[in-house]
Amino acid sequence: ETGVTQTPRHLVMGMTNKKSLKCEQHLGHNAMYWYKQSAKKPLELMFVYNFKEQTENNSVPSRFSPECPNSSHLFLHLHTLQPEDSALYLCASSQDRGSGVGGEQFFGPGTRLTVL
Amino acid sequence: GQNIDQPTEMTATEGAIVQINCTYQTSGFNGLFWYQQHAGEAPTFLSYNVLDGLEEKGRFSSFLSRSKGYSYLLLKELQMKDSASYLCAVMDSNYQLIWGAGTKLIIKP
Repeated sequence: ETGVTQTPRHLVMGMTNKKSLKCEQHLGHNAMYWYKQSAKKPLELMFVYNFKEQTENNSVPSRFSPECPNSSHLFLHLHTLQPEDSALYLCASSQDRGSGVGGEQFFGPGTRLTVL
Repeated sequence: GQNIDQPTEMTATEGAIVQINCTYQTSGFNGLFWYQQHAGEAPTFLSYNVLDGLEEKGRFSSFLSRSKGYSYLLLKELQMKDSASYLCAVMDSNYQLIWGAGTKLIIKP
């Protein structure tokens, strides 16, 4: 595997379900990110981890819970979601959190989430 | 607040040139990125500008004017495979990327 991988690619869940999204990066990067992408809206940054420590939580509802067990893996645990949470969830990584080309983010293919 | 503006959609002809504009207002500036995103796929990095001027990379060029809060992405010799959304993003003073909503580029034969 190369780059950034995400599983599952598609997920349909009810509002009472609990599920998890998984992201793995094979680039040796130190920073990892969760984004939400809704149609015709800007990418919304949800969480940032740098060297396994959470550094950003952009007012995300508690029904989304991130976990970063090591610098290569990132999870997003989902529970009691709402239909408006249906979106594409993208994981990304970068060499570091700074500016410059080192700050360039590499994205995974995303998980298309539908909440019924 | 922080804001990135870019056109929602543009149409161009195969073989032609198209310029996609991006204006921004952010808290600080640590560089501007352009990404390409094909439908159903991940965004992929195209270019990075932190100093004023033009950066050329093959058929794609990106320009930045920090004093005007303005950038553009120039695509030459358009090919059908260039049909995609183009995302402008600015890194603010907290090293957080602020994203535009993207410009959907449609290429016609």
